[in-house]
Amino acid sequence: GENVEQHPSTLSVQEGDSAVIKCTYSDSASNYFPWYKQELGKGPQLIIDIRSNVGEKKDQRIAVTLNKTAKHFSLHITETQPEDSAVYFCAASSNTGKLIFGQGTTLQVKP
Amino acid sequence: EAQVTQNPRYLITVTGKKLTVTCSQNMNHEYMSWYRQDPGLGLRQIYYSMNVEVTDKGDVPEGYKVSRKEKRNFPLILESPSPNQTSLYFCASSFLAGETQYFGPGTRLLVL
Repeated sequence: GENVEQHPSTLSVQEGDSAVIKCTYSDSASNYFPWYKQELGKGPQLIIDIRSNVGEKKDQRIAVTLNKTAKHFSLHITETQPEDSAVYFCAASSNTGKLIFGQGTTLQVKP
Repeated sequence: EAQVTQNPRYLITVTGKKLTVTCSQNMNHEYMSWYRQDPGLGLRQIYYSMNVEVTDKGDVPEGYKVSRKEKRNFPLILESPSPNQTSLYFCASSFLAGETQYFGPGTRLLVL
């Protein structure tokens, strides 16, 4: 079946450094790729998303890139801050309504 | 305030005792979905609904039922809960499938 692989599972960076999280998807029909941030005790919250007709999208310190040929997409966070510490999930979806999540990455930003 | 609400937030029950977790959204969203979150496995989709009276299985539907009689409500039913259904459950909604999903606060379920 469809799946999304996410790496790394944990990531520790110094404040001010960049963080990169990578995902690979299997369903070639996927056309929507959201990224969610989950803080302790809360539900996931969308931070950025990208559609299959776009290769890159940026929102302040956060950017997402998509390589449809390789079925890869990545989250880039620059100038990391302690409040960026959380669990990040990638996901892939097609118009069928199914949304497949990656396994999650725990990001720790050390002051 | 636009939101997705779930009730109860915490629930301890025993094997075999039927339970329902309610989910309601006030954003007039057509799409609603249920997920379970387990350590190391991320979020897995249980059931989703594209519109009223339309429901489909996600990746892990076994042991669960849903209904969508009204646009705003999407209850999750466990007719005979088992310990392997102990998990953190999230309901989410979006205007349409393939658009930004808004998640509820979660329901932590323990089945003894």
